[in-house]
Amino acid sequence: AQKITQTQPGMFVQEKEAVTLDCTYDTSDPSYGLFWYKQPSSGEMIFLIYQGSYDQQNATEGRYSLNFQKARKSANLVISASQLGDSAMYFCALSNTGKLIFGQGTTLQVKP
Amino acid sequence: NAGVTQTPKFRVLKTGQSMTLLCAQDMNHEYMYWYRQDPGMGLRLIHYSVGEGTTAKGEVPDGYNVSRLKKQNFLLGLESAAPSQTSVYFCASSQTGPQHFGDGTRLSIL
Repeated sequence: AQKITQTQPGMFVQEKEAVTLDCTYDTSDPSYGLFWYKQPSSGEMIFLIYQGSYDQQNATEGRYSLNFQKARKSANLVISASQLGDSAMYFCALSNTGKLIFGQGTTLQVKP
Repeated sequence: NAGVTQTPKFRVLKTGQSMTLLCAQDMNHEYMYWYRQDPGMGLRLIHYSVGEGTTAKGEVPDGYNVSRLKKQNFLLGLESAAPSQTSVYFCASSQTGPQHFGDGTRLSIL
């Protein structure tokens, strides 16, 4: 069975510092994708970053990077230089054949 | 460019009533999905479609039906609403790459 686990219900980070949000997954399929989405208090789901299981390098998108450790089955999101607008819920999701399985999310609060 | 549009944004129903949520996408995507999000939880897949005229069950399909008569539209129906179906419903679409989400429909069943 496929599963996504986010073990940090809530995190705090000081503005301008970096923060890592943890995500571990379980799948027996060799081909899969890992996504991170941001959900601000307004409720919409915003795509942040994607990592494919066969990608050789860790994905990066601006201030977001994905620390992909395939052997450990982890796909942690790193946000550099945190901003107040980064305060939100963050979801990790596992994709196989297009369907997404979401973790329970991590609430990030950025302190000024 | 509207992307994914969900109608309505809010709705309150009484137990036993029926209703249909509409999802429309203007990106010509093949794949469409319906999720529900309960408080403090991630999204769970209800039903999905891999193309016009096709539908399939997701993780939590009971109590819901769907139809994809046109490529751009994906309808989610509740035949007899129950309080356990109180949730925020998200529609998404994709081709290759990430799923694009609508803004959600907040549904309360009294």
